[in-house]
Amino acid sequence: ETGVTQSPTHLIKTRGQQVTLRCSSQSGHNTVSWYQQALGQGPQFIFQYYREEENGRGNFPPRFSGLQFPNYSSELNVNALELDDSALYLCASSTDPFSSYNEQFFGPGTRLTVL
Amino acid sequence: QKEVEQNSGPLSVPEGAIASLNCTYSDRGSQSFFWYRQYSGKSPELIMSIYSNGDKEDGRFTAQLNKASQYVSLLIRDSQPSDSATYLCAVRDFGNEKLTFGTGTRLTIIP
Repeated sequence: ETGVTQSPTHLIKTRGQQVTLRCSSQSGHNTVSWYQQALGQGPQFIFQYYREEENGRGNFPPRFSGLQFPNYSSELNVNALELDDSALYLCASSTDPFSSYNEQFFGPGTRLTVL
Repeated sequence: QKEVEQNSGPLSVPEGAIASLNCTYSDRGSQSFFWYRQYSGKSPELIMSIYSNGDKEDGRFTAQLNKASQYVSLLIRDSQPSDSATYLCAVRDFGNEKLTFGTGTRLTIIP
């Protein structure tokens, strides 16, 4: 167990809807990263938040947005859902993102299905 | 486009043998290297990190890094059926916040 929690576990939405996924970081970790993992693929980096500020973004459109709160919990919001958004969404918590020795620990993930 | 390449497998290894998993990466600026294990339907679990050339051992696992040849490998000694999973190689560049993952190698340990 990494101490990282995510909710909900599973979610079914229809195309065009909006969704919010939540993540609670491991105690003492001030950085959260979000990844999308399609079936049979490795996780793809969406963005990272460090001390409530966005600290890098991958190649995802603006309809993917996020927040990090003072208690270091985090949200991933996806607007105008598309069928290709169906995937496992993972959050990973870590400490100082500027250290070469930074390690990321994943939560259990949220399985999103878009119909 | 930075790439991390892994043989997708499946790789079948008899119980008790050594499983060898390989990963190559394209960016010479990469500084940090990780192996994650992912069971079917579960999230990735960090099993090894390595930052400098050479070998790093942790129990039955040994990670090997060769920056000149741009590859990193994972050896699993005395393979057990519980080692059957997909193994993901991940790479991070200095000053870069993201992990770049390979597609993973599916390992099956045959009893």
